[in-house]
Amino acid sequence: DAGITQSPRHKVTETGTPVTLRCHQTENHRYMYWYRQDPGHGLRLIHYSYGVKDTDKGEVSDGYSVSRSKTEDFLLTLESATSSQTSVYFCAISEDEISTEAFFGQGTRLTVV
Amino acid sequence: SQQGEEDPQALSIQEGENATMNCSYKTSINNLQWYRQNSGRGLVHLILIRSNEREKHSGRLRVTLDTSKKSSSLLITASRAADTASYFCATAAIYNFNKFYFGSGTKLNVKP
Repeated sequence: DAGITQSPRHKVTETGTPVTLRCHQTENHRYMYWYRQDPGHGLRLIHYSYGVKDTDKGEVSDGYSVSRSKTEDFLLTLESATSSQTSVYFCAISEDEISTEAFFGQGTRLTVV
Repeated sequence: SQQGEEDPQALSIQEGENATMNCSYKTSINNLQWYRQNSGRGLVHLILIRSNEREKHSGRLRVTLDTSKKSSSLLITASRAADTASYFCATAAIYNFNKFYFGSGTKLNVKP
């Protein structure tokens, strides 16, 4: 997988607690994305980043925040986890406006109990 | 939302047959991409077709794009058991083409 590491790979957390997922890339790609995947919904875009400190909302951004203080790291924070945020979260990167192909991490399985 | 929708949701074929999956979307696009996901893994890029292209080939893959109908199809010829996976289309908006929206996918099962 193209130099993308997601951590943790699995997490169980309690309702109401904050959770941070990390995506780290070694490709120096400009664009980074967070998606969630749920049965019957495919992948839905949560937030994405087009540069350091430049982020934008996706389709399902409520309850999530992101930060990108360095090119290589993109953090996704669930401010107060709810059971509806139980999902598999994928980070993706893409290089620039020309190539636009996205490379995906292995995913983080999050369970909120 | 300009999310793509794949059809059918599931497809089961015998090895050696061709598999065709369709994707429809809602708004004008810069490009459309197809990805494969093996069970429990991340997505892998297969092929990209731009809005000014009508057909593209890559190995056993053939993709068509009809912007007037806002639809695309992915054809896998001479399928193999290893092609068993879920396939997703992703669209990139004409005004923000680094923001990808995925459909719900087609689950392909190729029986040996």
